[in-house]
Amino acid sequence: SQELEQSPQSLIVQEGKNLTINCTSSKTLYGLYWYKQKYGEGLIFLMMLQKGGEEKSHEKITAKLDEKKQQSSLHITASQPSHAGIYLCGADESNYQLIWGAGTKLIIKP
Amino acid sequence: DAGITQSPRHKVTETGTPVTLRCHQTENHRYMYWYRQDPGHGLRLIHYSYGVKDTDKGEVSDGYSVSRSKTEDFLLTLESATSSQTSVYFCAIKRDRIGEQYFGPGTRLTVT
Repeated sequence: SQELEQSPQSLIVQEGKNLTINCTSSKTLYGLYWYKQKYGEGLIFLMMLQKGGEEKSHEKITAKLDEKKQQSSLHITASQPSHAGIYLCGADESNYQLIWGAGTKLIIKP
Repeated sequence: DAGITQSPRHKVTETGTPVTLRCHQTENHRYMYWYRQDPGHGLRLIHYSYGVKDTDKGEVSDGYSVSRSKTEDFLLTLESATSSQTSVYFCAIKRDRIGEQYFGPGTRLTVT
């Protein structure tokens, strides 16, 4: 079965610095989703990627899917305290289900 | 706001008691999901539904049952709660066969 590996597991970044989170699959990705979770809250959908080489941006967050469709990266530019939380990637496993990475915990230092 | 509510939001119960968690949506989406989230395990699928009265098991379905008699409601029942079922439970909905899921705020369940 497909597995999603996220790296790093946790990240402490100085406010204003850039950062990248990776999500790697053991199989070809046909739909890759990025979510953010604030502590103690539900998951918020950020972006969906489907095509090799696709890149999407929302405010200061950019997500990319590589050409081979086995790795995605989430890049945050000029990080802010509001970016703190847990970032999860999910991928289509079947028509109905997603599989999930373990998450990356992001802490922003003032 | 994807129009998903979960109730209760917090619950403490004793081992061996039955517990039912409710997920309610106002979006009329076909697909609904129950997950549990635990440290070190991430999100794990318990059960899902692809229509009224159409449900199937996820990877951690033992000890859980579900029912969906109306499009808007998806119930998760722990027949006899155990301490290993202490967790945060999330409901999610999805509009189409392929696409993103939208999550509810979660229910924190503690089994003592």
